[in-house]
Amino acid sequence: KAGVTQTPRYLIKTRGQQVTLSCSPISGHRSVSWYQQTPGQGLQFLFEYFSETQRNKGNFPGRFSGRQFSNSRSEMNVSTLELGDSALYLCASSGLAGEGDTQYFGPGTRLTVL
Amino acid sequence: AQTVTQSQPEMSVQEAETVTLSCTYDTSESDYYLFWYKQPPSRQMILVIRQEAYKQQNATENRFSVNFQKAAKSFSLKISDSQLGDAAMYFCAYRSVTDKLIFGTGTRLQVFP
Repeated sequence: KAGVTQTPRYLIKTRGQQVTLSCSPISGHRSVSWYQQTPGQGLQFLFEYFSETQRNKGNFPGRFSGRQFSNSRSEMNVSTLELGDSALYLCASSGLAGEGDTQYFGPGTRLTVL
Repeated sequence: AQTVTQSQPEMSVQEAETVTLSCTYDTSESDYYLFWYKQPPSRQMILVIRQEAYKQQNATENRFSVNFQKAAKSFSLKISDSQLGDAAMYFCAYRSVTDKLIFGTGTRLQVFP
C-alpha cells in the first residue's frame, strides 16, 4: 500500500510570493494534518482536515490556509511568504479503525524563502 | 494545555547495547494515545511504537518497547540490541481523542560501532 506522498519535495520562493503544497494520504485515510518543522520551533501543528472540513487549527496567522478534497487529498497554501516561513512542511494522514488515530507522515516539502 | 517534555537533547549508545529515551507529558485527559516517532537524517518521520492510555500493558515492537507509567505521566522508549540504523531523532508525541498531535523537542540518538 502506498504511503503518504507530498509534492513538491523542494521549493524555493521569494518573499511576498505565495505557495501551494500538496498531500495525498494513504488510501482509506480520511484525516490529513499539516505540521511545520523548524530547528528553532520544532514541530508545530498547522491544521487538520477530516472529510473536507477543518477539524483542528493551530496558532498560525491567516496567511496559512488549507483545504481537503472529496478524495481526501489536501493542499495547504501560504500567502505573502516571509523569511520565517522557511521550514519543512510535513503532512500526515490517519483514519483506519483500530489504529487509534495513528498518524503516518509523508516525506515533507522543504520550503526555502529568499 | 497538554505538553510533552523530552529532557535528553542527545543520547549515545554502543552497537548491540540498550538505551532508554525519556518522555514525560502533562494532561488532564484520561483517554489518549502516546507515540514514539523516529526521524532519520533523510527526514521521513516513521512511527516506532504507539500506546493507548487505557491499556495497562506496555507496547512492544521487536527491539522497541515502552515503559508507560500513567500515574507518573511517563512514557520512556527502550531500544534493545541497538543498531547503526537506529541513529536518528526520536520524538515523543501525545494525542487526545480527535485532537492534534503534540510533539516533544526530540532526542538525537547516536549509535557507535
